[in-house]
Amino acid sequence: DQQVKQNSPSLSVQEGRISILNCDYTNSMFDYFLWYKKYPAEGPTFLISISSIKDKNEDGRFTVFLNKSAKHLSLHIVPSQPGDSAVYFCAASVIQGAQKLVFGQGTRLTINP
Amino acid sequence: DAMVIQNPRYQVTQFGKPVTLSCSQTLNHNVMYWYQQKSSQAPKLLFHYYDKDFNNEADTPDNFQSRRPNTSFCFLDIRSPGLGDAAMYLCATSKYSRKSYEQYFGPGTRLTVT
Repeated sequence: DQQVKQNSPSLSVQEGRISILNCDYTNSMFDYFLWYKKYPAEGPTFLISISSIKDKNEDGRFTVFLNKSAKHLSLHIVPSQPGDSAVYFCAASVIQGAQKLVFGQGTRLTINP
Repeated sequence: DAMVIQNPRYQVTQFGKPVTLSCSQTLNHNVMYWYQQKSSQAPKLLFHYYDKDFNNEADTPDNFQSRRPNTSFCFLDIRSPGLGDAAMYLCATSKYSRKSYEQYFGPGTRLTVT
């Protein structure tokens, strides 16, 4: 039972345009959501997060939107740059003592010059 | 720089031969996690330590064990690796907080089973 889903395995965007990565979840108990970025041969690095009490969080070129009723979140990158080419993972948190993250499968983003 | 370090980065072991992967951190975080990630799949939590308290995921095979001798170090032991255990193993840490759920990851150890 996959609780966090990223239905697009890959996405190709032209440099300077907007990249939109999507994520759906099924567990209504999730109360915190994160996006991680992963380059080859490196571990995932934290990008941006959002609490369930908000519907938008912005950090520079990165904005995360949360639609609780649809159990959907998205990451917008504007403008997209070649260095943004990586695998992006959506994750949701479950509070049980220590916070555990449930990850999606990832979306490989390629930014074309 | 504070960081999460995993050794070795690449490990080759034989079918059935015990193997240990190591993780160390300089962040002084009280929670440490081990994830397994197979190709094109989501990282899957195997277990975590909250301080010295060990928390096993219900579907983690008994073949996988872990040790945390102190705050800085955590080990993943695979007692009898099978071909299906070939994967990337990621260590992560976090500082328990009600405000932030961010985890910091090491670069991973890629395990090959021959």
